Amino acid sequence: ETGVTQTPRHLVMGMTNKKSLKCEQHLGHNAMYWYKQSAKKPLELMFVYNFKEQTENNSVPSRFSPECPNSSHLFLHLHTLQPEDSALYLCASSQDTSGFKQPQHFGDGTRLSIL
Amino acid sequence: RKEVEQDPGPFNVPEGATVAFNCTYSNSASQSFFWYRQDCRKEPKLLMSVYSSGNEDGRFTAQLNRASQYISLLIRDSKLSDSATYLCVVNGPNSNSGYALNFGKGTSLLVTP
Repeated sequence: ETGVTQTPRHLVMGMTNKKSLKCEQHLGHNAMYWYKQSAKKPLELMFVYNFKEQTENNSVPSRFSPECPNSSHLFLHLHTLQPEDSALYLCASSQDTSGFKQPQHFGDGTRLSIL
Repeated sequence: RKEVEQDPGPFNVPEGATVAFNCTYSNSASQSFFWYRQDCRKEPKLLMSVYSSGNEDGRFTAQLNRASQYISLLIRDSKLSDSATYLCVVNGPNSNSGYALNFGKGTSLLVTP
């Protein structure tokens, strides 16, 4: 049973649509992350939030817009996406971003398909 | 040079076999090391952390060699359920946010009857 919940599990959208991915963690963590996983590629870090503040934007196009209203919730707002944005989007959390001996715990992911 | 490099495999082994995966990392200032397991179309799940002295968890043994910047995972008595992709993950300093996890591409394991 994962302590990180993502919705929806699957999403199909057209290039002109606007949708949002949601992530919620029940682990009492202070850091949350968005990753993109495309086929045959390693996980790519997109955004990092630590204590609700964005601390990392890994050169992500502006058509992806994150929002972190509190330490337990993280959103990824999507608009005018491209076919190459089709991927598995994973949310993760950790105690904070100090890093030392801190694994991250992942949600089930949202499998996104852009038509 | 990639931050974390792994042999992608696939490794096809019979049940009961012993299999070893290797991983190298490029940043000598890296502090924490992990092996994650990812099943097909599922999220990565922490398998074990890797400690400097090496550590064992049942059939799984992880080793770290800081001098060579090398991490290994040994699986003994392989089970069919061990079939998955094994991700080598290194937590190292990042100029923006303190520390960041760097993921290898993963090594694919298929255990056959």
